[in-house]
Amino acid sequence: DADVTQTPRNRITKTGKRIMLECSQTKGHDRMYWYRQDPGLGLRLIYYSFDVKDINKGEISDGYSVSRQAQAKFSLSLESAIPNQTALYFCATSDTGDSYNEQFFGPGTRLTVL
Amino acid sequence: AQSVTQPDIHITVSEGASLELRCNYSYGATPYLFWYVQSPGQGLQLLLKYFSGDTLVQGIKGFEAEFKRSQSSFNLRKPSVHWSDAAEYFCAVGAPTNAGKSTFGDGTTLTVKP
Repeated sequence: DADVTQTPRNRITKTGKRIMLECSQTKGHDRMYWYRQDPGLGLRLIYYSFDVKDINKGEISDGYSVSRQAQAKFSLSLESAIPNQTALYFCATSDTGDSYNEQFFGPGTRLTVL
Repeated sequence: AQSVTQPDIHITVSEGASLELRCNYSYGATPYLFWYVQSPGQGLQLLLKYFSGDTLVQGIKGFEAEFKRSQSSFNLRKPSVHWSDAAEYFCAVGAPTNAGKSTFGDGTTLTVKP
């Protein structure tokens, strides 16, 4: 089984709808991240969490919110989706004990907002 | 703040030919450097990493990278490319002063010709 899973893998929704993307991990890592990937723009950090009680904004957090329900679960929400949020979304984890911050990625969720 | 530049958006090589993907970073001290690969429909997978010591690092799938402090570069190489190497490649930099976060380049897409 994959160490970092994301659901759903694909989602098509309409403008104004609320969407939640979920991430679960079995690696036992404390740190979790949400990125979005757009063609030619690489990965941009949306939010990150270093433990259950710690949530931090990344470089592009506007229009997004997150919830860290447990060490293993980190959800990303789009409160009112807009077409500009069409992208590939990745969840990642890393180990607090690894000061170098090697990250482990889920398979991604492709979100289309019509 | 650290930053990463991957000058080549797209590279095409013939199968069996050698490969070099360029990565330049900006950081005041010795950074932590990574190369990740993203195969179609997959998440990112770590190819190799550099923290300190020997400036030539070996990774998985026959890849290697060389850290050159004088050029602020961490180029990825492979002596003989296989068709299965077609993917998108990301260089990333982390830093002790920015613990827990990495900055990713915009990626280089590799196409392999038969």
